[in-house]
Amino acid sequence: GIQVEQSPPDLILQEGANSTLRCNFSDSVNNLQWFHQNPWGQLINLFYIPSGTKQNGRLSATTVATERYSLLYISSSQTTDSGVYFCAVVDYKLSFGAGTTVTVRA
Amino acid sequence: GAGVSQSPRYKVAKRGQDVALRCDPISGHVSLFWYQQALGQGPEFLTYFQNEAQLDKSGLPSDRFFAERPEGSVSTLKIQRTQQEDSAVYLCASTLLVGDQPQHFGDGTRLSIL
Repeated sequence: GIQVEQSPPDLILQEGANSTLRCNFSDSVNNLQWFHQNPWGQLINLFYIPSGTKQNGRLSATTVATERYSLLYISSSQTTDSGVYFCAVVDYKLSFGAGTTVTVRA
Repeated sequence: GAGVSQSPRYKVAKRGQDVALRCDPISGHVSLFWYQQALGQGPEFLTYFQNEAQLDKSGLPSDRFFAERPEGSVSTLKIQRTQQEDSAVYLCASTLLVGDQPQHFGDGTRLSIL
């Protein structure tokens, strides 16, 4: 199956800082999703992005499918951004990475 | 409903008991997925339905796990003779058009086997 690697595994930020999370995948994919899993365990859709760049408020994502990676940018981080960020590659089912645990400190 | 609904939210069972977990997908979504998330890990695929047809069950860890979606809407994941390693969060997701639309997840059922 497709291998999905996320880095870094853990990230500690001061409120207001910017950060970049990376997702590498081992094979061509139809699509890619980014999720935020909040401390209550809810998986929230952030982006559905096969290629190119999308922005939603303080978050943006870029996928370069030909080079098999995607990046998630968090700008001006807030404590509510804390949680685990997952990328998942899509054929029909999702194959998830192990996640990046983000802690934003006030 | 507006989102994917799962019940119960929490389930505690003794080892050896049978459990049933329910998923009510977003109205009109023909594709439904079950995933298992162990503590500290990403979700892993269990099984996939398109309408009432179970098209892929390759992720089910043993023959103690069984899923159904008899009318192409609500789905039930059943685990027989539960074991401690079955303890996990079970997530259900649905999508309008598989591979071309995002999957939307429910809040999950946290299963603890004592």
